[in-house]
Amino acid sequence: SYVLTQPPSVSVAPGQTARLSCWGNDIESKSVHWYQQRPGQAPVLVISDDRERPSGIPERFSGSNSGNTATLTISRVEAGDEADYYCQVWDSDSDHLRVFGGGTKLTVL
Amino acid sequence: EMQLVESGGGLVQPGRSLRLSCVASGFTFTDFWMSWVRQAPGKGLEWVANIKHDGSESHYMDSVKGRFTISRDNTKNSLYLLMNSLTAEDTAVYYCTRDPGDEFDLWGQGTLVSVSS
Repeated sequence: SYVLTQPPSVSVAPGQTARLSCWGNDIESKSVHWYQQRPGQAPVLVISDDRERPSGIPERFSGSNSGNTATLTISRVEAGDEADYYCQVWDSDSDHLRVFGGGTKLTVL
Repeated sequence: EMQLVESGGGLVQPGRSLRLSCVASGFTFTDFWMSWVRQAPGKGLEWVANIKHDGSESHYMDSVKGRFTISRDNTKNSLYLLMNSLTAEDTAVYYCTRDPGDEFDLWGQGTLVSVSS
C-alpha cells in the first residue's frame, strides 16, 4: 500500500515560516490533504486538494505538491499553531483506502 | 451548525463486541459518504471504513475486514460501526467523519474504545 512519510517534529519561532513536508512516491499525481490536530481536540481540515483552504482557515496556511513532496506552509506562525499536522491521500490502487502520514509535531518556540 | 456527535465507546473485554453511533446535523446527510477514522493513544490517524450515501457500498482497512461493519440509517441521520472480536490493537479514539471526496472535512469529537481484560 501507499506510504506517506512526515518528519516527526519541526520547530519554529513565532512570526517565522514553518514548512512541513510529506513524502510519497510520485505524490504529485495525487491530491494531498492536510489536518491540524491541537492537543486533546479532533483534527481539522486545513488544506484540501493540495492547496485549497476550507472556509475559516487563515490565509497564512498554504499548500503545494510537486514530485515526491507535498508541503504545508504556515506563514507568520503563532503560538496557537502549535499542533500535530497530518497529510493524507487516497490510495487509488487500493480501492477507497485513505492513507495518512505519521504526523509532524509543530513546536512554536 | 454542522455537527457530528459520536457515542457508544467504553471499556470492553477482548473478543467482545461494541457498537458505535454517530448522529449528524446541520447538513444533508444523504449527500455524503461517511467514514470512521481512529487514533490509538499517542499515535497517528488511521482510516477504518467508509460507506456510500445510500449504504449500498462500503470499504474497510485490511485489519478490520470481517470483524467490523459500517452502516447508516439515513432516516435518523446516523452512522454506525459494529465492532466484533475486539483486540487490544483496536483501542483508540474513534472519529466519525464526513467524506465529500477523498478528504475528511468534518469531524466529530470522538469516542474512546478501550479493549482490556
